[in-house]
Amino acid sequence: TQLLEQSPQFLSIQEGENLTVYCNSSSVFSSLQWYRQEPGEGPVLLVTVVTGGEVKKLKRLTFQFGDARKDSSLHITAAQPGDTGLYLCAGESRDDKIIFGKGTRLHILP
Amino acid sequence: DVKVTQSSRYLVKRTGEKVFLECVQDMDHENMFWYRQDPGLGLRLIYFSYDVKMKEKGDIPEGYSVSREKKERFSLILESASTNQTSMYLCASRDRGITGELFFGEGSRLTVL
Repeated sequence: TQLLEQSPQFLSIQEGENLTVYCNSSSVFSSLQWYRQEPGEGPVLLVTVVTGGEVKKLKRLTFQFGDARKDSSLHITAAQPGDTGLYLCAGESRDDKIIFGKGTRLHILP
Repeated sequence: DVKVTQSSRYLVKRTGEKVFLECVQDMDHENMFWYRQDPGLGLRLIYFSYDVKMKEKGDIPEGYSVSREKKERFSLILESASTNQTSMYLCASRDRGITGELFFGEGSRLTVL
């Protein structure tokens, strides 16, 4: 079974600080996605990375896909209280399964 | 607006009961998925379906079955509910396009007493 390890599991930081969330695996994925989930709702896609080494930016969020397509990171610059939520990475395996990491619960303190 | 609708937001069932969780999508997506979400364990894949009448086991299929008789509808069945199946169940669908974005329903919180 392919696994995605996310770290840290919990993160509580002050508004304005920077942070990085990691998503690692020993397996190669054809693509990796990052989702954000608010309480009482389903996850919503933030970004998909497909090419090894790819970097995508979404306002203050920067996503990177590792060269070997086994890992990814999410960096948030100058975190805002509105960034609070559960961040999930997801990978598509060779057999078309989409599996998720356990998530990083982020809390930004005003 | 794309929409994935799950039939029940909250259900309470007794051990041994048969439980149906329904999911309908209006996007003509081929792929549909059922996950369960538990604190500290993330989303775990139960079953998925490539297309009508097709189904594949995910990582935790034991105690569950699924049905996909129509493209827009994917049902999750608990033949005999047990307390360890108390969880949040999330249905998702996706297009097989480049992004492969999953569109999720709002979830069904099942409690088995």
